[in-house]
Order: sequence, then structure tokens, then C-alpha cells
Amino acid sequence: AQSVTQPDIHITVSEGASLELRCNYSYGATPYLFWYVQSPGQGLQLLLKYFSGDTLVQGIKGFEAEFKRSQSSFNLRKPSVHWSDAAEYFCAVGEYGGSQGNLIFGKGTKLSVKP
Amino acid sequence: EAQVTQNPRYLITVTGKKLTVTCSQNMNHEYMSWYRQDPGLGLRQIYYSMNVEVTDKGDVPEGYKVSRKEKRNFPLILESPSPNQTSLYFCASRERGGHSTDTQYFGPGTRLTVL
Repeated sequence: AQSVTQPDIHITVSEGASLELRCNYSYGATPYLFWYVQSPGQGLQLLLKYFSGDTLVQGIKGFEAEFKRSQSSFNLRKPSVHWSDAAEYFCAVGEYGGSQGNLIFGKGTKLSVKP
Repeated sequence: EAQVTQNPRYLITVTGKKLTVTCSQNMNHEYMSWYRQDPGLGLRQIYYSMNVEVTDKGDVPEGYKVSRKEKRNFPLILESPSPNQTSLYFCASRERGGHSTDTQYFGPGTRLTVL
């Protein structure tokens, strides 16, 4: 069965520091991978997605993620964090060629930003 | 503006009193889905719909019903709510069912408390 693991429940970084949020997936075929962000009191917004091609994907708000098949990972990065990045981040995997195309979400990583 | 709307945004109710959470999208999307979000568990899918009159169970369907009589609307029905259904609920839509690569758009969420 497909699954997504986000090993870090809560991460705190200083404003201006770099950020890496980890995501590992378990999926037998080629996965479709997503990162969503949920700001406090808001719904989820898509940051970026990967389904083929260049394994380094650029997203909105200065985020990027790299797909590494050998490590079954899709880690999210940002070179310099801003206070407004404080939010909860969810990694998700989608079915390739699946009849439903449902997404499986990780449990999320909450990001706090210190001034 | 393209959006997914949910009503109500907040609801406090008592055990056993039937309630409906509405969801509407204005993007002519085929696929719609309901999730619940609980601390430490991430998002879990309750029900989804591939198109009008086509619905199916997600991972946690017990205690919930849905209907899809029109393309734009996908209400979530709790016929006899219980305290373990206290949660944050999200509706989402996507252009096509079966195509995980399509961006999934989320509503703002409905925070439900069952006393």
C-alpha cells in the first residue's frame, strides 16, 4: 500500500536560515508527488508537484523539491526562510494511472520561524 | 475567482443531531473529495466522487454520507454525529478524476465540534 512519511513533526528555524523538510514515500510504481502548505486557519495550497522530467522542481514562494528515486524521497527546501513561512507542510503521493487518482497525505510537519 | 467554498466554517453540535456541511466549487471540476484532519494524523480521505452520481468510500467513511447530484456540489452528511467526529473537515476538487497530476484545490475548512 502507498504511504507517505514525514519524519519531523515540528521544526523550528531562524528567519533567514535554510530549510529542508523531509518526505519519504512508499509506492511500487512511478509516483506523483506533491507538497502542500497550510497556513493557520487556512485551507491547503499547492506549493509544487512532480510527475516526470527534471527531478528538481521549482514551486511558489521560493520553494523547491528534489525527487530522489533511489532514496524514495521528495524533500522540500528553501534557501532563506521568512517569518510568513510559518505553517504546516504536507507531502502527498498520487497514484500513477490509478483509476481514482486519490492522494495519500503524510501527517505533516509544522514549521515555526524564530525572529 | 476560482474557489472551493464550504459552509459552515464553524459548527458546534450535540451527539445525534443530523448535520450537513456543504461544499461547492465553481471550476466545473469532475473530481471532489472530503478529508478530515486530526492532530498527528494528517489528512484522511472520507469519501470522493469521480463525477455526478459517482461516489465511493475513502479511508475513513464510517459515520458519513455524501451525495453528488450536481457537478458543483458535494455535501457531507453526518446523520448521527458522535464526539469522535470532532475534527477539521476539508473539501477539495480537481479537474479530472483519475488524474493525480491535476492540481487539487481545497476549501477553507469546517471546524466541527460534537458534544
